[in-house]
Amino acid sequence: AQKVTQAQTEISVVEKEDVTLDCVYETRDTTYYLFWYKQPPSGELVFLIRRNSFDEQNEISGRYSWNFQKSTSSFNFTITASQVVDSAVYFCALSAYNQGGKLIFGQGTELSVKP
Amino acid sequence: DAGITQSPRYKITETGRQVTLMCHQTWSHSYMFWYRQDLGHGLRLIYYSAAADITDKGEVPDGYVVSRSKTENFPLTLESATRSQTSVYFCASSDGVRKTEAFFGQGTRLTVV
Repeated sequence: AQKVTQAQTEISVVEKEDVTLDCVYETRDTTYYLFWYKQPPSGELVFLIRRNSFDEQNEISGRYSWNFQKSTSSFNFTITASQVVDSAVYFCALSAYNQGGKLIFGQGTELSVKP
Repeated sequence: DAGITQSPRYKITETGRQVTLMCHQTWSHSYMFWYRQDLGHGLRLIYYSAAADITDKGEVPDGYVVSRSKTENFPLTLESATRSQTSVYFCASSDGVRKTEAFFGQGTRLTVV
């Protein structure tokens, strides 16, 4: 069975701090996709990144970076120099390779960045 | 406008009534999905569709019906609404082949009283 665990329910940081959101997944598939989505207070779900299971290169996009480690089944998300606008609920998700984007979501981590 | 839109954004209905939530996408994506979001449960898949006239159950399909006669539309019907179906409903679509990330509508907040 597939499962995504985000053990951190809530995180609170002060602006400019770095913060890492943890994501651990379970799957029997050898090929799969991992995702991160952001849900700001306005409620919409915003796609941030997709990572293929056969590509373990870390990725950086501005203040955002992602660390994918197959050996530990983890796909962690780091925000460097956090800002108030980063306050949101962040979801990690998993999809099998041939499932057309059918997602299994983690419970989400609510990040609060205080000025 | 291009994208994926849901209607209505907010709905209050009574127990036992039938209600339909609409979803329309302009990308011609093959796959469409309905998720519900509840506190403590994250997002859970209700139904999905791989193409017009092809639908399949997700994790929590009981009490819901879907159809997909056209690629761009994927309505979700609650045949006889119950209070446990009070939730925020998200529709999503994805290319499903080269790019599997799903793009979500704004959500519909449904309250069953």
